[in-house]
Amino acid sequence: DQQVKQNSPSLSVQEGRISILNCDYTNSMFDYFLWYKKYPAEGPTFLISISSIKDKNEDGRFTVFLNKSAKHLSLHIVPSQPGDSAVYFCAVHYSGGSNYKLTFGKGTLLTVNP
Amino acid sequence: NAGVTQTPKFQVLKTGQSMTLQCAQDMNHEYMSWYRQDPGMGLRLIHYSVGAGITDQGEVPNGYNVSRSTTEDFPLRLLSAAPSQTSVYFCASTRGQITGELFFGEGSRLTVL
Repeated sequence: DQQVKQNSPSLSVQEGRISILNCDYTNSMFDYFLWYKKYPAEGPTFLISISSIKDKNEDGRFTVFLNKSAKHLSLHIVPSQPGDSAVYFCAVHYSGGSNYKLTFGKGTLLTVNP
Repeated sequence: NAGVTQTPKFQVLKTGQSMTLQCAQDMNHEYMSWYRQDPGMGLRLIHYSVGAGITDQGEVPNGYNVSRSTTEDFPLRLLSAAPSQTSVYFCASTRGQITGELFFGEGSRLTVL
C-alpha cells in the first residue's frame, strides 16, 4: 500500500504562471516532508522541506504547504521558469524511524513551456 | 567538492553475472543508503547503513548485498543479476539531522540482459 501518493504523473504550465504539485500521504506519524527535484541523468537534489508542526515554508519562488487534517502536501512554484522542468518527488520521514529513511512518491514530471 | 560519487555510470550485465556498484562520499556523513528508480515506481530503498560496520535492509533488499567497512564507502553487490534488477541506482548520504535531507550521487544505470 502506497504511503505517499503523487497522483499526477505529469504537469505542463506556461512560463511565468504558477505550478502546483501535489502529494498525499497516509500516516499521521510522518514528521517531516521534503521535495526533491531531479533532472534527467542526474541524481535528485533537495529543494525544500517542512516540519509537521508548520503549515507553510517558503524559499524564494518555492513554497510548500502542509494540510495535516487532509494529509496533503503541495509545492507551489511562482513564477515558473523553463529551468524548473524536471521530475519532482515528495518524500516523507517517519518520526519513529532513522533519519536517513525517507519514503518517496512516484514523482511528477513538470514541463514549463516558454 | 566531490560529494557522493558513484561508479560505474553505466553497466550491462548478463543474467547470472555478479558485480559491485561503488559509492563513496567525502562529507563524513554517518548515514548512507542505496535506492533504485524504476519507471512509475519512484525511488525505493534497497539497503542503508548508520555507520561503519552497521547495515540494514530497506524496502526492496532481495538480490543485493551491502557492507560498510569505512565511513566513506558503501558498495552495493549484485550476486547473481536478474533482468528485474535493470534499473537506475542511486547512492545517498546524510549527516543524519532530523530533516532527513539526503545528498544523492549521479546514479548508475544497470541493464541486465
